[in-house]
Amino acid sequence: GAVVSQHPSWVICKSGTSVKIECRSLDFQATTMFWYRQFPKQSLMLMATSNEGSKATYEQGVEKDKFLINHASLTLSTLTVTSAHPEDSSFYICSAILEGGDNEKLFFGSGTQLSVL
Amino acid sequence: QQPVQSPQAVILREGEDAVINCSSSKALYSVHWYRQKHGEAPVFLMILLKGGEQKGHEKISASFNEKKQQSSLYLTASQLSYSGTYFCGTGTSNTGKLIFGQGTTLQVKP
Repeated sequence: GAVVSQHPSWVICKSGTSVKIECRSLDFQATTMFWYRQFPKQSLMLMATSNEGSKATYEQGVEKDKFLINHASLTLSTLTVTSAHPEDSSFYICSAILEGGDNEKLFFGSGTQLSVL
Repeated sequence: QQPVQSPQAVILREGEDAVINCSSSKALYSVHWYRQKHGEAPVFLMILLKGGEQKGHEKISASFNEKKQQSSLYLTASQLSYSGTYFCGTGTSNTGKLIFGQGTTLQVKP
């Protein structure tokens, strides 16, 4: 089946630095990808919808200037957490949908655990 | 709006059955079920599309009542490996955008 690769799996950074997380669809093209955040023992919260070649659509309450999303190609979306602070520590997960928008072709990455010191 | 899952937590003995429910206040196009183990990404279980589907995979099955905007996940003859947190993700269109419930923690004991 289709595979979505997310990198890195975990990252530790100092407060004030920026961290980039990559989400790649390995064997299919994805015009749309989604970014989720999950705090410990909580649900996955949708942050934004990443659209290839256009601006991302952010969910209410998500700071677009802090969480920069770039979807420059049909196989890669990146999430950059700018000026990270300890409260940004979380599990970030991406998902990608096969071109055509069929719900049955939605795949998740393995997630990135971000720890900000 | 976030779908509501019930129960919040359940403890079973090996071999017992469990039902996890997912209710939405919005009309649904699809319901997705995932299981997540601690520290890992969610693992896909199944997708149900509008039209009142039922699906099954080994001893795990699910139903989707479109009219009631509800879905249920059925775990029969539970195994230790079934332990984890189960999430339903609901979609209101075919765009792939999902909103997840708060999760149901399932613990299966020997």
